[in-house]
Amino acid sequence: DAKTTQPPSMDCAEGRAANLPCNHSTISGNEYVYWYRQIHSQGPQYIIHGLKNNETNEMASLIITEDRKSSTLILPHATLRDTAVYYCIVGWGGGATNKLIFGTGTLLAVQP
Amino acid sequence: NAGVMQNPRHLVRRRGQEARLRCSPMKGHSHVYWYRQLPEEGLKFMVYLQKENIIDESGMPKERFSAEFPKEGPSILRIQQVVRGDSAAYFCASSELAGASYEQYFGPGTRLTVT
Repeated sequence: DAKTTQPPSMDCAEGRAANLPCNHSTISGNEYVYWYRQIHSQGPQYIIHGLKNNETNEMASLIITEDRKSSTLILPHATLRDTAVYYCIVGWGGGATNKLIFGTGTLLAVQP
Repeated sequence: NAGVMQNPRHLVRRRGQEARLRCSPMKGHSHVYWYRQLPEEGLKFMVYLQKENIIDESGMPKERFSAEFPKEGPSILRIQQVVRGDSAAYFCASSELAGASYEQYFGPGTRLTVT
């Protein structure tokens, strides 16, 4: 599985957009980009995933560069409840194993 | 649709005892995963199971740990002869039949404390 690189921490003002970057320069053609988050002491929560195209759901948007070597998770209007560790994970969904390899993630602190 | 359920939420065991952690996947999900999060550390994959089959146990410690997902009932993660280093949060996740892409949905976790 490809390795990802994320900044260890970021701050964001409440109500503003939070843009969380992720580098995955060794991603292969059949690997997806997944984003999960973990709010303190809770189980991780799935946010969004994509392969090539940009994706949007009720929680966030995912922007993947054309060369697929990096992506950005966008929370359009961050709230205090969005304070969490955000994990960018690269993996293939069609293989014999579907394990998620969590890195250290980005601690997003939303400030009032 | 109820989410992934885990019980107990908190479990205290003395060194040498056995710990049994249970996970009921979301309705319709036939794939179960177990992850461990040691204090102040990241989440680590342990094992991936389908009904009655272990698919990937590459993250399981070689001794004392076992997992099962029977045809009926919850998935069980069993730790024999627990030691203090087993103290951690254990998370279970489930997913639908794997296809080209998948999402895993996590339970609230079981916090194991070994005294």
